[in-house]
Amino acid sequence: NAGVTQTPKFRVLKTGQSMTLLCAQDMNHEYMYWYRQDPGMGLRLIHYSVGEGTTAKGEVPDGYNVSRLKKQNFLLGLESAAPSQTSVYFCASATRQGMNTEAFFGQGTRLTVV
Amino acid sequence: AQRVTQPEKLLSVFKGAPVELKCNYSYSGSPELFWYVQYSRQRLQLLLRHISRESIKGFTADLNKGETSFHLKKPFAQEEDSAMYYCALIPARNYGQNFVFGPGTRLSVLP
Repeated sequence: NAGVTQTPKFRVLKTGQSMTLLCAQDMNHEYMYWYRQDPGMGLRLIHYSVGEGTTAKGEVPDGYNVSRLKKQNFLLGLESAAPSQTSVYFCASATRQGMNTEAFFGQGTRLTVV
Repeated sequence: AQRVTQPEKLLSVFKGAPVELKCNYSYSGSPELFWYVQYSRQRLQLLLRHISRESIKGFTADLNKGETSFHLKKPFAQEEDSAMYYCALIPARNYGQNFVFGPGTRLSVLP
């Protein structure tokens, strides 16, 4: 099983450029999340989705947009990249099955905005 | 709001020594608590969850509701335990809202 797959793995953007990060999961999970990981700050939630067609803001949503048109995909968009968005981005998916609650993570996308 | 704190950014121990990674949380209800681990250049993966009361790779963690803590312990550290460790919680009655992660502790096990 592929689990959670993120594309691309690396990207360098110029300030003001736009891009979309793709997250795909093959576990039929209801919940999907986008986090950013910064040194000393752990993982901070950007946006999340509790099902197909639904999205919600997390802790640090400004400058990002998301869409969940299909249950297996969760897209994170940067409309106008800024150096402050240089980070490692992780996507995760989860389902609730009694004691088997667990978030599965992608391998991460390292984004540099210059 | 829910919050998870991990007071140590870096913890260094010698191989064979006991290790304890501290985690405290703030949440008024009954959370579900987890420890996630991230080895070098790998994705985060679940280490253990409190509800399962399991021991994984020699690690255990006990939920102390009085002290709102969920410290991770291992009696004899190994070099392969060197990694980044994150404590996390989800509000038990509001699942789907968020996994709240702490800032992480980098464990370095010295030979």
